[in-house]
Amino acid sequence: DAMVIQNPRYQVTQFGKPVTLSCSQTLNHNVMYWYQQKSSQAPKLLFHYYDKDFNNEADTPDNFQSRRPNTSFCFLDIRSPGLGDAAMYLCATSLAISTDTQYFGPGTRLTVL
Amino acid sequence: AQKVTQAQTEISVVEKEDVTLDCVYETRDTTYYLFWYKQPPSGELVFLIRRNSFDEQNEISGRYSWNFQKSTSSFNFTITASQVVDSAVYFCALSEARAGRRALTFGSGTRLQVQP
Repeated sequence: DAMVIQNPRYQVTQFGKPVTLSCSQTLNHNVMYWYQQKSSQAPKLLFHYYDKDFNNEADTPDNFQSRRPNTSFCFLDIRSPGLGDAAMYLCATSLAISTDTQYFGPGTRLTVL
Repeated sequence: AQKVTQAQTEISVVEKEDVTLDCVYETRDTTYYLFWYKQPPSGELVFLIRRNSFDEQNEISGRYSWNFQKSTSSFNFTITASQVVDSAVYFCALSEARAGRRALTFGSGTRLQVQP
């Protein structure tokens, strides 16, 4: 089945220690998104890639970076995680921009000690 | 600016009851899309439905049905004969079609608890 895969499902890191979250897709979609979702809140878009074009949301902290080495994979790098970065990180894909349906992966729950 | 309001923070029902989740949206665009997603305790956002602004026909899928009314800017979701497996947080979302828009605007979500 075509799907969006995220690894790991649970990640524990220490305050200030860089961490990388991974997302892969078998849907062959052009667009990949990263969302941050804190407890009892709606998902918040951090950035997205349309093919290789990177688009950052205006309020995404510099601490968050992303890489998309090919169509299938996208990574979220948190350079110096703070306690406030503990959250669920959701990867999503869509065929095109704007109104196409976004399909989400299972998420990675990040804990910062 | 676009906005989605889900006024019901939490709803609790007993199994087999019908339940309606409300969604009210704001947009200046004439072309837009509305979505519902389900988020079970596992955390994954599961796509349920996508509806464009030109299609006001109501939709039914098994126990799920959606009522889209442009006159009241609402896109409500009804679960008939609810089951324990329906327990989740449900998000309504809006996406505008004009060039450059790429984000989903989510409502704050409604937590549904179905008691056995």
